[in-house]
Amino acid sequence: EDQVTQSPEALRLQEGESSSLNCSYTVSGLRGLFWYRQDPGKGPEFLFTLYSAGEEKEKERLKATLTKKESFLHITAPKPEDSATYLCAVHTNAGKSTFGDGTTLTVKP
Amino acid sequence: EAGVAQSPRYKIIEKRQSVAFWCNPISGHATLYWYQQILGQGPKLLIQFQNNGVVDDSQLPKDRFSAERLKGVDSTLKIQPAKLEDSAVYLCASRSLNTEAFFGQGTRLTVV
Repeated sequence: EDQVTQSPEALRLQEGESSSLNCSYTVSGLRGLFWYRQDPGKGPEFLFTLYSAGEEKEKERLKATLTKKESFLHITAPKPEDSATYLCAVHTNAGKSTFGDGTTLTVKP
Repeated sequence: EAGVAQSPRYKIIEKRQSVAFWCNPISGHATLYWYQQILGQGPKLLIQFQNNGVVDDSQLPKDRFSAERLKGVDSTLKIQPAKLEDSAVYLCASRSLNTEAFFGQGTRLTVV
């Protein structure tokens, strides 16, 4: 059974305090790993797709990395507007998708 | 480009009543998903369509949930009869072959 575990469940940072979110996965045949941002009352918004171990993607203050067992979302010098829930999801070669339960990030000014 | 449209945004019903949700995906997107998101959890896939055919409905509680995608465009998800544990946000998403999934804003269902 495909499994996705995100940690920590919640993270509180001061503005400018860099940190990382973790997404560990166990799947049979990874097609891609996706990171999404979800704001309260809205649907998830796509951030990155990673396809193979060693791949990295960057967007503004966010950088996503992938190994064979986990992915990290690094947040550099976060701002209050980065506060949201960050979800990762795995898509398998069999066409199935599984989401983790997310990490809720709060950035205090 | 218009996004994924869902309606209604909110719905409150009593247990044992029925309810239906509607989704209009992005034009040209062949794949459509319905997810259930319980508060504090990640989205759980209920059903995946490729055009108007079902690809995966392994986690759909078929005794009470049904979904259809007529003509491979719009889709409806129905719950009949609803239970208290069905209270959740129901998300619709669509994608084409070479894109990520785009999500609608969801329908928040409260069963009382």
